[in-house]
Amino acid sequence: ILNVEQSPQSLHVQEGDSTNFTCSFPSSNFYALHWYRWETAKSPEALFVMTLNGDEKKKGRISATLNTKEGYSYLYIKGSQPEDSATYLCAPYNTDKLIFGTGTRLQVFP
Amino acid sequence: DGGITQSPKYLFRKEGQNVTLSCEQNLNHDAMYWYRQDPGQGLRLIYYSQIVNDFQKGDIAEGYSVSREKKESFPLTVTSAQKNPTAFYLCASSIDRLTAIEAFFGQGTRLTVV
Repeated sequence: ILNVEQSPQSLHVQEGDSTNFTCSFPSSNFYALHWYRWETAKSPEALFVMTLNGDEKKKGRISATLNTKEGYSYLYIKGSQPEDSATYLCAPYNTDKLIFGTGTRLQVFP
Repeated sequence: DGGITQSPKYLFRKEGQNVTLSCEQNLNHDAMYWYRQDPGQGLRLIYYSQIVNDFQKGDIAEGYSVSREKKESFPLTVTSAQKNPTAFYLCASSIDRLTAIEAFFGQGTRLTVV
């Protein structure tokens, strides 16, 4: 079983704080790294798909970096807002399947 | 509207009965996946299919079966052999196995076995 670890498991921050999460994965047979946001009572939605070592992606206040050689990715949220409250999942894609980490649950308090 | 439809949203079954969860997509995606989520755990892969009439076991396939007779449909049967079937089940699809494009998800089915 591919071991994908995310940390921290949960995070509580105040509105306006910046935060970051980590996703660690085996670097062998790597093809792509996906990040998803999963809000309560909704379906997971893709944030980023990253394929190249050193890749950086940005969408508004959220950005992500990828290190395929050492097998990790960081997700950053600048100036967290209550609407950022969700579970953030990472999923490496290799050998034809998408394997998810356990997720980081973020709660942003006004 | 294009998307993935899972039905029903909630399902109750008696212990020992087989039950089939529906997953339909109209996105013309080749790849489809079934995941299971238990409280406090991440999404675990049950089965996946990259093409019609072909599918592979994921990490927790025991007690489950699938079919992929049509591109748009990937039903999951939870059999009586599954020891702990009560869980939240999520279906996903992606365009194909070779393209690094994001997966799309259904709304999920919450199965309760009593």
